Amino acid sequence: GEEVAQTPKHLVRGEGQKAKLYCAPIKGHSYVFWYQQVLKNEFKFLISFQNENVFDETGMPKERFSAKCLPNSPCSLEIQATKLEDSAVYFCASSHRDRTARYSNQPQHFGDGTRLSIL
Amino acid sequence: EDKVVQSPLSLVVHEGDTVTLNCSYEVTNFRSLLWYKQEKKAPTFLFMLTSSGIEKKSGRLSSILDKKELFSILNITATQTGDSAIYLCGSRLDNIYGGSQGNLIFGKGTKLSVKP
Repeated sequence: GEEVAQTPKHLVRGEGQKAKLYCAPIKGHSYVFWYQQVLKNEFKFLISFQNENVFDETGMPKERFSAKCLPNSPCSLEIQATKLEDSAVYFCASSHRDRTARYSNQPQHFGDGTRLSIL
Repeated sequence: EDKVVQSPLSLVVHEGDTVTLNCSYEVTNFRSLLWYKQEKKAPTFLFMLTSSGIEKKSGRLSSILDKKELFSILNITATQTGDSAIYLCGSRLDNIYGGSQGNLIFGKGTKLSVKP
């Protein structure tokens, strides 16, 4: 598609439950990024993928968070045993691969985000 | 520690005013600086700046990067109520030694309110 599509728009979970968020990147984009935005503050980078391979996971919490990008499927971000502090808007972004550069330097295009509310 | 600082954090102007938003950065292995406009949902891409001194322009918006002084500005002329939004500045990292590659570090944003 022409836009990054994130689902669901809003997800409500009780503390301790699992939450799974989905992201379909723009068609033809090779890179997918996940960010967490808490209370309209800065974006915190979580993880990025180049196609189905993890590209950079330096921002991912060591526990409870996992992510995948499988061929012919939306990418997903899963949080096990959610905590109140996981409440945030989770944004997905995708970018096109710049074939003239070793690493992509194309702008990232963002989806509308999934608002995760942990009660 | 890599960081991006935006100022002011909040700005209220009247329609027709010209505004300048500031972004300074301290990052290792800087690659590019990006500006986004965030209204209710998705940040919308505005500009990507890689080289110093080259102004990028789109309608009433323009931006420039100074890699020596490590800052960028975003100018909006003849502001309209539709320009009301949070403007985000993000620095893109590129660590050739295998560290963080390609993700953005954002500032806290400047909340611009344009009154009729």
